[in-house]
Amino acid sequence: KNEVEQSPQNLTAQEGEFITINCSYSVGISALHWLQQHPGGGIVSLFMLSSGKKKHGRLIATINIQEKHSSLHITASHPRDSAVYICAVRYNTDKLIFGTGTRLQVFP
Amino acid sequence: NAGVTQTPKFQVLKTGQSMTLQCAQDMNHNSMYWYRQDPGMGLRLIYYSASEGTTDKGEVPNGYNVSRLNKREFSLRLESAAPSQTSVYFCASSEARHDYGYTFGSGTRLTVV
Repeated sequence: KNEVEQSPQNLTAQEGEFITINCSYSVGISALHWLQQHPGGGIVSLFMLSSGKKKHGRLIATINIQEKHSSLHITASHPRDSAVYICAVRYNTDKLIFGTGTRLQVFP
Repeated sequence: NAGVTQTPKFQVLKTGQSMTLQCAQDMNHNSMYWYRQDPGMGLRLIYYSASEGTTDKGEVPNGYNVSRLNKREFSLRLESAAPSQTSVYFCASSEARHDYGYTFGSGTRLTVV
């Protein structure tokens, strides 16, 4: 069983919709990462957070340490947001544990 | 900045052949990692190096060896490729701090036939 669970696995949206992707983990962490992987395969780091909320453009990431849960929100979604979004957690080690990803498709 | 550079981008091997995947970073990071990505699974750590001259096994090290040649370079070697090693391989680098992000290479798609 993966220690990092993401939901949903697949998500389809119409352009302009508000999107939420969820990530749950099992034990205390030092940091949580949200990553984006485009169809071409490259992985880009979107956010790293250990508490609270971060915002970058139309992307918002939140984390609730007590509930061991994080969400990634996309406002006013656009077809170019279509990608796989990956949650990864860092415990008190030098390594990341990855979720299996959420595949998002945004249609015009 | 180039960030993390991986070569090659694509490779097809026959079972039993050997090859080395190259990775170099220009961000002066101490930590470097090799991951494999398979359908339906999260990225899994093969080997990592916390600093120049040190390497440690990750979750799935069998069938692989690594070399941390210097601070910039971290190579992954398949001595005798097997079909089970067909995967997409990613190199990454970071610092060993909980508040530090990771930078990933563009990946190597390896097929073993």
